[in-house]
Amino acid sequence: EPEVTQTPSHQVTQMGQEVILRCVPISNHLYFYWYRQILGQKVEFLVSFYNNEISEKSEIFDDQFSVERPDGSNFTLKIRSTKLEDSAMYFCASEGAKNEQFFGPGTRLTVL
Amino acid sequence: GQQVMQIPQYQHVQEGEDFTTYCNSSTTLSNIQWYKQRPGGHPVFLIQLVKSGEVKKQKRLTFQFGEAKKNSSLHITATQTTDVGTYFCAPSAGGYQKVTFGIGTKLQVIP
Repeated sequence: EPEVTQTPSHQVTQMGQEVILRCVPISNHLYFYWYRQILGQKVEFLVSFYNNEISEKSEIFDDQFSVERPDGSNFTLKIRSTKLEDSAMYFCASEGAKNEQFFGPGTRLTVL
Repeated sequence: GQQVMQIPQYQHVQEGEDFTTYCNSSTTLSNIQWYKQRPGGHPVFLIQLVKSGEVKKQKRLTFQFGEAKKNSSLHITATQTTDVGTYFCAPSAGGYQKVTFGIGTKLQVIP
């Protein structure tokens, strides 16, 4: 069964450093999403992406964040200058034909 | 986005007991989706309900959408330890929209 994959599974970085989180959505899906979940809290929407453009973004998704689909398979989330409060689990999702979202296993980002 | 309230926030049950979580909205919902997140895991899509009064079953799980499309429920019959996790209802405005997660209902099953 096709699945969304994410790399790395865990990323540790120093405050102020840039990180790139990578996702490979399911191959025939067209809509992609990033969510994050701070430990013990609910899953929060960050951004949606379609046709190489951002469709919607939340207040969390400020100028420090960017998304890109650099090729036909990868979908990346970049955080330019990480802050302590960016520590969270970041989930990528892609949407199927029946509007169900398939989530990847997540990348745990730890900012020190 | 549309907001829903889900109750209870936590539920502990003995293995074999039934479990129900309820989702309520003050406004009419277009669709509602249900997801499950195991501890340390990622959200997994369970089902989408679209029609007023709809009832869908997946093995021991029964999902209902109210007649007024303002509430929904998930009922698990004879819980098992594999049912442990947090269950989320999420209103959906239709296709290709973000999923708005609430706090969900955290289910603990005591063996």
